[in-house]
Amino acid sequence: EVQLVESGGGLVQPGGSLRLSCATSGFILSSYEMNWVRQAPGKGLEWVSYLSGGGGIKYYTDSVQGRFTISRENAKNSVYLQMNSLRVEDTAIYYCARSHHPAYCSGGNCWAFDIWGQGTMVTVSS
Amino acid sequence: QSALTQPASVSGSPGQSITISCTGTSSDVGSYNLVSWYQQHPGKAPKLIVYDVNKRPSGVSNRFSASKSGNTASLTISGLQAEDEADYYCCSYADSSSSYVIFGGGTKLTVL
Repeated sequence: EVQLVESGGGLVQPGGSLRLSCATSGFILSSYEMNWVRQAPGKGLEWVSYLSGGGGIKYYTDSVQGRFTISRENAKNSVYLQMNSLRVEDTAIYYCARSHHPAYCSGGNCWAFDIWGQGTMVTVSS
Repeated sequence: QSALTQPASVSGSPGQSITISCTGTSSDVGSYNLVSWYQQHPGKAPKLIVYDVNKRPSGVSNRFSASKSGNTASLTISGLQAEDEADYYCCSYADSSSSYVIFGGGTKLTVL
C-alpha cells in the first residue's frame, strides 16, 4: 500500500525551529517529486515547497523562502521539511504530498498531488 | 499571487448535478493546462480527483468531470450522492514570482 506518514509537529515559540519528517512506503521514492502543503485551522490549502526526485531542484512559496528547507533521503524513504524562524502565521496542518508521476501527465510534471499523508499539526505560539 | 476564486458554497439534491467554478488569471489557469481538483472531507487529507484540467486518476468516479475555458476552470459532479458532501479545492501551476502552485479558497458542497 502506498502511504505517507508525517511526524515532527508540535508547539513551538515564535522564532523557533521544527523538523518535519515524511516516511514513505509502497513506492520507489526516487522516482517521484515530493511536496509539502499546509492548511491553517479552518482555512484553505497552501502549497509550501517542492523537491525533485533527485533532490537537486527545490522550490518554495515566497512566505517561507529563506526560512524553510526541503530535503530527502531516498535510501531511507523519507522527505523532510526544516522550518526555522517560525512565525505565528506558520501555524497549520502540514501535509506531505506526492506529485503525480510525470508518465501520466501531458507535459511532464502536472503539478498535481496524488498521495497525501494524514498531516502533522504545527502550532507557533508564545 | 492571490488565491484562485471559488464560490464559498454550493448545494444540490441527491441525483442532481452541480458545477464549481475556479477563476484565475492569464498567469495561471489561463496559460497552463495544469489545473487539478481535490476533495477533502472534514478531518481528512485532500484527495486528487482531477488533474491536467480534465483527467481522472484511477479509481475516481466518472461522475466527476472538469473543463477549462480561458481563465476559468470548472468541476461538475453529476448524480450527486451524500458522500460527495465535502470541501473542493482547485489548484493551478502559476507563472508567478511568489509561488509555483496556487490553490483556490475552497468550496463547501452540501448535499441537501
